[in-house]
Amino acid sequence: DTAVSQTPKYLVTQMGNDKSIKCEQNLGHDTMYWYKQDSKKFLKIMFSYNNKELIINETVPNRFSPKSPDKAHLNLHINSLELGDSAVYFCASSPNVGAGTGELFFGEGSRLTVL
Amino acid sequence: AQRVTQPEKLLSVFKGAPVELKCNYSYSGSPELFWYVQYSRQRLQLLLRHISRESIKGFTADLNKGETSFHLKKPFAQEEDSAMYYCALLYGSSNTGKLIFGQGTTLQVKP
Repeated sequence: DTAVSQTPKYLVTQMGNDKSIKCEQNLGHDTMYWYKQDSKKFLKIMFSYNNKELIINETVPNRFSPKSPDKAHLNLHINSLELGDSAVYFCASSPNVGAGTGELFFGEGSRLTVL
Repeated sequence: AQRVTQPEKLLSVFKGAPVELKCNYSYSGSPELFWYVQYSRQRLQLLLRHISRESIKGFTADLNKGETSFHLKKPFAQEEDSAMYYCALLYGSSNTGKLIFGQGTTLQVKP
């Protein structure tokens, strides 16, 4: 099944903890992204990587650290979780450098709840 | 600054009625605009892009540079059109191109 897959789908944790969300794409795409969807469904770009290199970092707190071990994977690690980090995090990929043709392929999302 | 605005959080229509989902953008360059859709329990996916000037599932969207708008229209809504719709703007150089989204509009088509 060719797709963008994220794990875990649901994550419930306490304030102050550190957690990671993993993303993998088997579409052979060069660029991967993390987007955050807040409680109002607003979808905001956080990071993008092209072939393991950080391209976009959208004024995201340092507690968020993306890591791309290879171009098929982009993981998101979050330190010292805060209540405001509760959101759905979407991973996406695109076949072209940058956002290319504007067609992004999204994962199913990872719902993070911080208590 | 670049921005995409979808003024309606929820649009509710009856089956067979016309639909117009509004989208306005702010961008000083030549815009590339898109509509994405997320059906219940499915992934967010591309619906259509303005440069293709295509009709997908009966939906069309025309770029109006004078009004800086890219509204999504369908003459006769179907129940299966019920979903979350996002308007998106692509900008930046090819290397650092970004796709930014509006706030999204939930379309509810009632039987």
